[in-house]
Amino acid sequence: ELKVEQNPLFLSMQEGKNYTIYCNYSTTSDRLYWYRQDPGKSLESLFVLLSNGAVKQEGRLMASLDTKARLSTLHITAAVHDLSATYFCAVAQYTGTASKLTFGTGTRLQVTL
Amino acid sequence: GAVVSQHPSRVICKSGTSVKIECRSLDFQATTMFWYRQFPKQSLMLMATSNEGSKATYEQGVEKDKFLINHASLTLSTLTVTSAHPEDSSFYICSAPGYGNSPLHFGNGTRLTVT
Repeated sequence: ELKVEQNPLFLSMQEGKNYTIYCNYSTTSDRLYWYRQDPGKSLESLFVLLSNGAVKQEGRLMASLDTKARLSTLHITAAVHDLSATYFCAVAQYTGTASKLTFGTGTRLQVTL
Repeated sequence: GAVVSQHPSRVICKSGTSVKIECRSLDFQATTMFWYRQFPKQSLMLMATSNEGSKATYEQGVEKDKFLINHASLTLSTLTVTSAHPEDSSFYICSAPGYGNSPLHFGNGTRLTVT
């Protein structure tokens, strides 16, 4: 059974600081996703990582994937309040007709002034 | 714009009644859709995979007789929560696969409250 763990579960950081969220998964997968969720809302897609060593950046967020270590990271640079949300990683498994996602435990990020 | 439309966004029902949630793919066909459930401050848990023209595949521990899934067309999947109880109160989210390696498209979710 695929397990996906994130740490930390909760992160409070000051504006302007840097931090990294970690996502570990237990079985082989060739695709990993990062999503953002605001309170009471659905998911917003941030990144799709398709291969070992993949790195993607959008604004203050940068995601990377190490398939050998089964580890993905989401790095936050110079955090701003607008980044406050819950972040999920999700690992894809192909079912034969489509890929289903197993989500990580989530990291609730709170950026304070 | 939204590529997956989910309705209703919010529903309150009495214990013992049934509630139907619709998930439509807009401008594309989805032979497969996924239904997730999210309890407060928790992650999303896959409930079932909806397959057009065939039976849904349920995850372990999900009661198929309680959570009825119908995928009658290439653009519509429905989830019916039968004989709802307060413990069924949750956020239900549907999703449909994108093309190739693109991420899943998620509906806006349905907040179900059973009183």
